[in-house]
Amino acid sequence: SAVISQKPSRDICQRGTSLTIQCQVDSQVTMMFWYRQQPGQSLTLIATANQGSEATYESGFVIDKFPISRPNLTFSTLTVSNMSPEDSSIYLCSVARTSRNTEAFFGQGTRLTVV
Amino acid sequence: KQEVTQIPAALSVPEGENLVLNCSFTDSAIYNLQWFRQDPGKGLTSLLLIQSSQREQTSGRLNASLDKSSGRSTLYIAASQPGDSATYLCAVRRDGNNRLAFGKGNQVVVIP
Repeated sequence: SAVISQKPSRDICQRGTSLTIQCQVDSQVTMMFWYRQQPGQSLTLIATANQGSEATYESGFVIDKFPISRPNLTFSTLTVSNMSPEDSSIYLCSVARTSRNTEAFFGQGTRLTVV
Repeated sequence: KQEVTQIPAALSVPEGENLVLNCSFTDSAIYNLQWFRQDPGKGLTSLLLIQSSQREQTSGRLNASLDKSSGRSTLYIAASQPGDSATYLCAVRRDGNNRLAFGKGNQVVVIP
């Protein structure tokens, strides 16, 4: 398994501001992902965080709104920019050790409320 | 586009009963399927991973089956306990890049 530390665990933010969420893994992993879980909904993939290059975004998500960094194999950040109440969600970091068919692990999530 | 459906959305059972949670997916060309548990306001805990070539996986009181051709998986939890109360999520791996498509979950309450 992998131990994933995600910070902050929760935050309440004013609309129009930005929040950066950190994800730290206890060992090197090949794949890191960011998901969003809106209230009452399931998880939706935002992007794949690529080490040393730009993230790969899913349809409906753009870099200007959700900039992602991944400076090394154990750390990534997701920024939620220019927030609106519609961004209120749980944001989750996920990792997989290799790019093959391996088990996915998740952090404890960041509960974001935008007021 | 892969769509994942979980039925029932919510259920309550008395302690000691067996739980049966269903997951269906529209595209049978999956790499594997993973079951997770999510407690309120928390992240996901991995329960079982079934590769596309496997029919089932077991861990303790948990057993998950996979019928890829019919696009179905079932999670069985034997002799349920109040601590099993949580939301159970099914996720299928869409491609070799480990991207997951999730269902909305089965919300379970085990009544003491």
